[in-house]
Amino acid sequence: EAGVVQSPRYKIIEKKQPVAFWCNPISGHNTLYWYLQNLGQGPELLIRYENEEAVDDSQLPKDRFSAERLKGVDSTLKIQPAELGDSAVYLCASSPGLADTQYFGPGTRLTVL
Amino acid sequence: QKEVEQDPGPLSVPEGAIVSLNCTYSNSAFQYFMWYRQYSRKGPELLMYTYSSGNKEDGRFTAQVDKSSKYISLFIRDSQPSDSATYLCAMSGGAGNNRKLIWGLGTSLAVNP
Repeated sequence: EAGVVQSPRYKIIEKKQPVAFWCNPISGHNTLYWYLQNLGQGPELLIRYENEEAVDDSQLPKDRFSAERLKGVDSTLKIQPAELGDSAVYLCASSPGLADTQYFGPGTRLTVL
Repeated sequence: QKEVEQDPGPLSVPEGAIVSLNCTYSNSAFQYFMWYRQYSRKGPELLMYTYSSGNKEDGRFTAQVDKSSKYISLFIRDSQPSDSATYLCAMSGGAGNNRKLIWGLGTSLAVNP
């Protein structure tokens, strides 16, 4: 069974530029999560989807971040414009059920210069 | 007070030692308790999850949950150098849009040969 796929793995951009991350969850997993992780910190939830519905986006900075999960499968997370403080690893995870037992992708390491 | 407290370490032990990793929490609504392992530059990997109180064993790993004390533990027996990683606790509770998912900061473990 294929795991969670994320792309790109690394991205370097200048501040004020837009950037987008893509995630393909494990087949059959209805719940999808986007996280931000800084070095030495635990993951911080940005948004959680149940199928195509965003059920928890309370921590998503909506002035610059947006996300979509069309057809309840793939998802895209976008930042526009990026700021220096957005440099971090962006993780996508999916889960098959209610217990929030999640399976993570390798992450996208974003560097904003 | 944070909802989840986890000692960041670092924890350094000799090969073969028994390792104890712990988290405390404050929200009694949490029902699912999870432990993840994260190697450097990788996404977190689900190790074990437990529903409500009790013990769960999987090979060299044992997860314990004490809901009365709001305390969870992960024990690693016969620790190996390959166990060197960051260990994250996570917990969730509630339903639907009120479901809450919280992560600890992670404990860095080094097992020395």
